[in-house]
Formats: sequence, structure tokens, C-alpha cells
Amino acid sequence: ILNVEQSPQSLHVQEGDSTNFTCSFPSSNFYALHWYRWETAKSPEALFVMTLNGDEKKKGRISATLNTKEGYSYLYIKGSQPEDSATYLCASRPSGSARQLTFGSGTQLTVLP
Amino acid sequence: EPEVTQTPSHQVTQMGQEVILRCVPISNHLYFYWYRQILGQKVEFLVSFYNNEISEKSEIFDDQFSVERPDGSNFTLKIRSTKLEDSAMYFCATSTGATGELFFGEGSRLTVL
Repeated sequence: ILNVEQSPQSLHVQEGDSTNFTCSFPSSNFYALHWYRWETAKSPEALFVMTLNGDEKKKGRISATLNTKEGYSYLYIKGSQPEDSATYLCASRPSGSARQLTFGSGTQLTVLP
Repeated sequence: EPEVTQTPSHQVTQMGQEVILRCVPISNHLYFYWYRQILGQKVEFLVSFYNNEISEKSEIFDDQFSVERPDGSNFTLKIRSTKLEDSAMYFCATSTGATGELFFGEGSRLTVL
């Protein structure tokens, strides 16, 4: 059973601030790392799927990096906006198990206007 | 934009009763999953389904749980005799490939009294 950890658990930032969160996962038998954005009362929405060490992906003001050797990923939000308020989930998929994702507890971001 | 739809959004049932949760996947998706989140805990994998059979299941998915796709559209999760600890938000998810991003429904909240 994988242990995927996220920090911080929650975060409040002011509109316009940049912020980042961490996801740590077992580096052995790694296949892919997923990030999802989950707004209250909506469904989790995929942001990124990363597989290679050193991967960097970007979608608008949100970007993510991946270090598979040490087992961590960072999610960055530049110039946070109130609409960025959500829970950000990461999930790790190991090799040898084609479908099962193991999720972290999430980081709950609140952007204050 | 295509989406995964789930019904019911909320179901309250008595302990020992059978419950069926329904999901309509995105039409060209081939892989189907059920995840759940007990209040305050992580999102947990239950089962994956491909080519009309279970491809992987977790230890949570015991004999009280079953899945099927009876009519080629709805993908259902049945809990045969509900327990208090089955109270959770149940998410259906689908994907085009075995290892790609998941598309989640909005969830079905199950409350067992």
C-alpha cells in the first residue's frame, strides 16, 4: 500500500500571492503522478499527469514539477485568484498496477479577495 | 464537454439494506472505476472495470460489493447489505486508457443509518 502525503493540509493566501504545495510519494516502482483540482460540490478535475523525472507541466497560472528519484512533486500557482480556491489532490500510480491510484489527503487552498 | 454523471446524488438507507449507485460514463471511455471518500479521510480505490470484467479491486471491495454494466451504458456499484461504515461519498471515474487521467463524476453521498 502506497503512502502519499501532501502538505500543507490547508492554506490561506491573499489574492495575487503565489503559492505552492508538496506531494510526496514512494519513489520505488513509480509509474505516474496525477494532480487533481476539486472544488466544493463539483467533481475532481485532472490538472496534470506526469511520468518522467524532471517533468514540468503548465496550465495557465498553474504548474507542476516532478522528482521521481526523491519522490516528490510541487504544484505552483502564480498570482492566486479567488476562483483558485479548491482542494488540490495528488495521486500516485505505481508500476505493475495498471489502474490503481493512491491519493493524498489534499491541500485545501483558500484565496482571500 | 462530456462528463460522467452519477445518480443518486444522495441516498439515505438503513443498515442491512441493498444500495445501487449508478454511473453513466463518457461514451468513448473504456475503463471504469469506483472510488470512495469517508468523511475526513483520503479518497480510496475500490475497483476498476474493463472489457466487462473487474480488472483490479482493493481489499475494501469484499463480497458485499459488486459492479456491473448491464446495458452497455450504466455502470453500477451494488452494496448488498450496507453497514454503518459504508457511509461515504462514492465517486465513479472513467478513462480512455489504462493509465491516463481520470474523469470523475460529482459523487453519490451514501448515508447508512
